[in-house]
Amino acid sequence: EVQLVETGGGLIQPGGSLRLSCSVSGFSVSSDYMNWVRQAPGKGLEWVSLIYGGHTASYADSVKGRFTVSRDNSKNTMYLQMNNLRVEDTAVYYCARANSGLYDALDVWGQGTMVAVSS
Amino acid sequence: IQMAQSPPSLSASVGDRVTITCRASQNIRTYLNWYQLKPGKAPKLLIYGASSLQRDVPSRFSGSGSGTDFTLTISGLQPDDFATYYCQQSDSSLMYSFGQGTKLEIK
Repeated sequence: EVQLVETGGGLIQPGGSLRLSCSVSGFSVSSDYMNWVRQAPGKGLEWVSLIYGGHTASYADSVKGRFTVSRDNSKNTMYLQMNNLRVEDTAVYYCARANSGLYDALDVWGQGTMVAVSS
Repeated sequence: IQMAQSPPSLSASVGDRVTITCRASQNIRTYLNWYQLKPGKAPKLLIYGASSLQRDVPSRFSGSGSGTDFTLTISGLQPDDFATYYCQQSDSSLMYSFGQGTKLEIK
């Protein structure tokens, strides 16, 4: 079964760091573009980051320089290292697969993990 | 690439036909996708490539458009369809982006 499971969310103080994990089953984490998308409370969906190819990555301007996406093919897992967290990073974070056969649409999503940045 | 979605909210009745529009700030060919989001659930892909229906999505959902202007139409609204809908461009593989969302509510 194709499935994504996010873990690692929690409550963290501003300026702190957190690492999210996205465990992949049913396909290889290295075979497609893998994404992070977030939804802040009461707000819309915001694309955060993607990783593809070897270790090529891109980021939304709002997180560039603070967040780093990576993946461990041996564990079939993607990560999001979040540093220097801000209150505005508070959100549910989803990982999602972009399917190259479907115009890179995000066809598989995890259930999300909540990150709350507050003092 | 900026995505402008309208209207921000929409009130309709069961059985109605509704249309949501999405405009891209530049040509994205047909790399436009639509998602449904309900509280506490993961987003669900409805339409990919502007007009292709994702597997297991009811045929009352349809999409059209190319270039910069796109629409999502729901024909014959069902109670399960009241949710928030988002468009998303996937033409720029280095930076995807979503529209602001359209909340569809029961009249």
